[in-house]
This record gives sequence, C-alpha cells and structure tokens, in this order.
Amino acid sequence: KNEVEQSPQNLTAQEGEFITINCSYSVGISALHWLQQHPGGGIVSLFMLSSGKKKHGRLIATINIQEKHSSLHITASHPRDSAVYICAVNRGAQKLVFGQGTRLTINP
Amino acid sequence: NAGVTQTPKFRILKIGQSMTLQCAQDMNHNYMYWYRQDPGMGLKLIYYSVGAGITDKGEVPNGYNVSRSTTEYFPLRLELAAPSQTSVYFCASSGQGRNQPQHFGDGTRLSIL
Repeated sequence: KNEVEQSPQNLTAQEGEFITINCSYSVGISALHWLQQHPGGGIVSLFMLSSGKKKHGRLIATINIQEKHSSLHITASHPRDSAVYICAVNRGAQKLVFGQGTRLTINP
Repeated sequence: NAGVTQTPKFRILKIGQSMTLQCAQDMNHNYMYWYRQDPGMGLKLIYYSVGAGITDKGEVPNGYNVSRSTTEYFPLRLELAAPSQTSVYFCASSGQGRNQPQHFGDGTRLSIL
C-alpha cells in the first residue's frame, strides 16, 4: 500500500462544477503539499499546509491531521483547471512522498 | 526570474550510452532534488542535496550519480543508460527551514532505445 493515496485517479466534469480531490496518508507528517501539473509537464506548488484550511482564488485546501486526510476543492471549475493534481507529504528533512496524482478534465 | 532551469528538455539515448542532465537554480536554495516520474506513478526521489558538497540517496538511486560542487548546480549523471531509465526527470529546489515549498524545473523527457 502506498503511503499517500489519492482519489479519484481520474475525474471528468463540466465547466462550473464543484470539484473535490482527496488525499489520504498513512504516516506521520510535518506538512502536506498540493501541486498542479499541466499538460505541458511543468509542476507548480499550489498549497502547503499543516493544519486547517487555506484558500487561493477558487482553490481551497483542507487537512484533518487526526484522520490523516486532506481535500483539494475547486469552485466554479473552468477548462483551464484541467491538469494533474498531486498530493505530497513531508516526512522530514524536506523530503516529499508523492501520491500518484489525479487527472482532472473540465469540459466546456 | 528563471527559478529552476533544466536542460535538455528532450533526449533520446541508446542503451549503454551516458549523459548528464543539467539543473541550475538562481534562488540561493540549499536543498535540491532529482525525481523521476513514470506513467501512472507518483514522483520518486532519486537523489537529494542539503547543500554544496553534501548529497544523499533517495528511493531509487541505482544507475544514477550526482554531484553538488556549488549551491546553484546539481547535475544528474546516467552512466550506462538502460531502457528502465526511460522517464521524465524533474529537478527541484527549496529553501532552508521547516516545510518549505519546492520549486520545480520544467522536466527532461528521456527515452532509452
């Protein structure tokens, strides 16, 4: 079993829908990261959080340390949100362990 | 505002050839990392460095070598290319301090034929 599991692996939705991507982890962590990888391949850090909730524009990330679970939400989704979203956890010494990613497709 | 720069972007190698993937960062970050990304799999850490002159193995170091003579550069060397090393390689860096975000290069797509 992977230390970091994401669900779903693939998600297709219509423009405007509310999107939720989930991440569960099985180990102790110091922080959790959400990353975005666009079709061109580049990877961008969206959020880093160790407790509670963070919001940036239409993106919201939450974490529940007790339940070892995090969610990434996208409100009013748009085709430009189509990307692979990656959850990663800090296991110490700045090393990250990554989930396998969720491929999101938003259709117009 | 370059950030992390990787070269080349694409490369095709024959089995047994060697090559060096270049990585440079201009943010004065102490930490640098090399990952590989295989289709349908999460990124795997190959090697990392916590500062000039210090490197350490990650999850999948076999077949690779690294060096870190300066803060800016962290090249990854493949000595005897094998088909199993066909992958997309990402270099990343992060600043010192607890839980810093990592900044990624655009990746190098490498095919071994």
